[in-house]
Amino acid sequence: NAGVMQNPRHLVRRRGQEARLRCSPMKGHSHVYWYRQLPEEGLKFMVYLQKENIIDESGMPKERFSAEFPKEGPSILRIQQVVRGDSAAYFCASSPPAGHYEQYFGPGTRLTVT
Amino acid sequence: AQSVTQLDSQVPVFEEAPVELRCNYSSSVSVYLFWYVQYPNQGLQLLLKYLSGSTLVESINGFEAEFNKSQTSFHLRKPSVHISDTAEYFCAVSEKNTGNQFYFGTGTSLTVIP
Repeated sequence: NAGVMQNPRHLVRRRGQEARLRCSPMKGHSHVYWYRQLPEEGLKFMVYLQKENIIDESGMPKERFSAEFPKEGPSILRIQQVVRGDSAAYFCASSPPAGHYEQYFGPGTRLTVT
Repeated sequence: AQSVTQLDSQVPVFEEAPVELRCNYSSSVSVYLFWYVQYPNQGLQLLLKYLSGSTLVESINGFEAEFNKSQTSFHLRKPSVHISDTAEYFCAVSEKNTGNQFYFGTGTSLTVIP
């Protein structure tokens, strides 16, 4: 059973470009979470999605950031017009429908904005 | 919302010595507690978890943690560390009733010295 998959693992974008980060949850998992890890800090919750629904986006910046989890395909975290402060590691986690109390993390995407 | 405190940002310890990594959380509501380990340039791996039952939980590689409700703590311990234990350790908390997001501490960098 493959774990949570994220791609790309490393992404370099110039200021003003768009970044798209993809996450495929573990098989059978229908809940996806995105976290951001800034240098020297812990992970900060961004958004929680189920298939085709955003359940909790309380941690998402108000502008430029969006997330989706379509019926088919991976979850996408999209950052428009990136700035240097967006440079971070972005982690996706998934959990099964039966309980939210355990989350399995992907390897992360390290975004560098130049 | 929860606040998770890991007081020690860096812990150097000699090989085969014991270690304790401290974690305290803020709220008295019912919680689930987790320790994750992150090796360089990798994602988070679940080390151990407390959901209910016995307050002492163990991992397969010799770590243990004890849930102390009165002190709102979940300290991680190992009686004898190995070089391979060198990594970043994160404590995480989720609330039983909501459970949508994990709250992470800022991490403790454990360095095992030969």
